[in-house]
Amino acid sequence: ILNVEQSPQSLHVQEGDSTNFTCSFPSSNFYALHWYRWETAKSPEALFVMTLNGDEKKKGRISATLNTKEGYSYLYIKGSQPEDSATYLCAFIGGTSYGKLTFGQGTILTVHP
Amino acid sequence: DAGVTQSPTHLIKTRGQQVTLRCSPKSGHDTVSWYQQALGQGPQFIFQYYEEEERQRGNFPDRFSGHQFPNYSSELNVNALLLGDSALYLCASSLGTALSTDTQYFGPGTRLTVL
Repeated sequence: ILNVEQSPQSLHVQEGDSTNFTCSFPSSNFYALHWYRWETAKSPEALFVMTLNGDEKKKGRISATLNTKEGYSYLYIKGSQPEDSATYLCAFIGGTSYGKLTFGQGTILTVHP
Repeated sequence: DAGVTQSPTHLIKTRGQQVTLRCSPKSGHDTVSWYQQALGQGPQFIFQYYEEEERQRGNFPDRFSGHQFPNYSSELNVNALLLGDSALYLCASSLGTALSTDTQYFGPGTRLTVL
């Protein structure tokens, strides 16, 4: 059974703060890691697909890094805004999974004005 | 492009009943995956359909079955409902190249409550 863990479970920050959270996954048989943002009452929105060790992706104020050798990825949000409030999910894909996503339990981010 | 759509939005059933949930993929996508999200957990993979066949299956009992139609839309059927089947059911679509780097686009989900 694959274990994908996210920390912290929840996070409260003030508007303008920068924040980051972690996704840990099995370091063996890695193929890809997906990050999603999920706002309440909406569909999960794809942020990044990460495949290479040392990869860094950026989308506006959000960026992510990947370390496949030690099995973790960080998601960073610079200058958090209230509209960044959402659940952030990571999902691991192993080498033979044909697109089967194994999700962590998510990090719930609340940004206070 | 309407994106991934699911119906119904909400559903209430009683134990022992059967339910069918529906999903229409994003335009141009031919692969549909289904996930179950129980309260406080991340989504869990149920199965994936490609070219009208089940390509992969997660650790769910045979009570969970599915179908994919020639237009790539899909149904998830659950028989003999249990209280524990209460969850949000998500559908995701992607291109069927079997590349794990393909982005999967999710629908808004169907909230199933079993009483």
